Amino acid sequence: AQSVTQLDSHVSVSEGTPVLLRCNYSSSYSPSLFWYVQHPNKGLQLLLKYTSAATLVKGINGFEAEFKKSETSFHLTKPSAHMSDAAEYFCVVSEGYKLSFGAGTTVTVRA
Amino acid sequence: DGGITQSPKYLFRKEGQNVTLSCEQNLNHDAMYWYRQDPGQGLRLIYYSQIVNDFQKGDIAEGYSVSREKKESFPLTVTSAQKNPTAFYLCASSFGLAASSYEQYFGPGTRLTVT
Repeated sequence: AQSVTQLDSHVSVSEGTPVLLRCNYSSSYSPSLFWYVQHPNKGLQLLLKYTSAATLVKGINGFEAEFKKSETSFHLTKPSAHMSDAAEYFCVVSEGYKLSFGAGTTVTVRA
Repeated sequence: DGGITQSPKYLFRKEGQNVTLSCEQNLNHDAMYWYRQDPGQGLRLIYYSQIVNDFQKGDIAEGYSVSREKKESFPLTVTSAQKNPTAFYLCASSFGLAASSYEQYFGPGTRLTVT
């Protein structure tokens, strides 16, 4: 069975400082991993995905994530936070058709 | 402009009433999905459909029903049998079921409140 643990329920950063969102996964097979972002009362948007190619994945809006099999982690980073990054972020693992979502990390950006 | 529309954005119902949530897509996707989102939790899969006239239960199908009569449409009915129907409901679609190959695109969601 697959599952995802997001290690922080809430992260607060100052504008212009780095953002780190931590995610550990559990999967029986070689997983596909995703990060989605959700702005308040909106649907989800795909930030990036890992599907067994390069372990460092670049996504939209300056985000990137690194797949570390030995640590079963897929942490999301951004070098410099912007006010528009304030949202909820979900780490997701898939096997076949099924997506398993983490509980989410809420990011607050301080001016 | 292609995308997924869900209506209405907010929906209020009395306990004991069935309610149907609409989901329409013009992306020519074969697969469609319904998820439920509760505060502090990730999304959970209610039902999914790979093709017209076919659908399968997800992890939390009890108290819900769906139909897939048209490729573009995948309505969800929340029945009175659903014990805790108040939630944010998200519809998604993709070209195929394999999540590693086909990105799921999400609609804006419907927030259902049952009192």
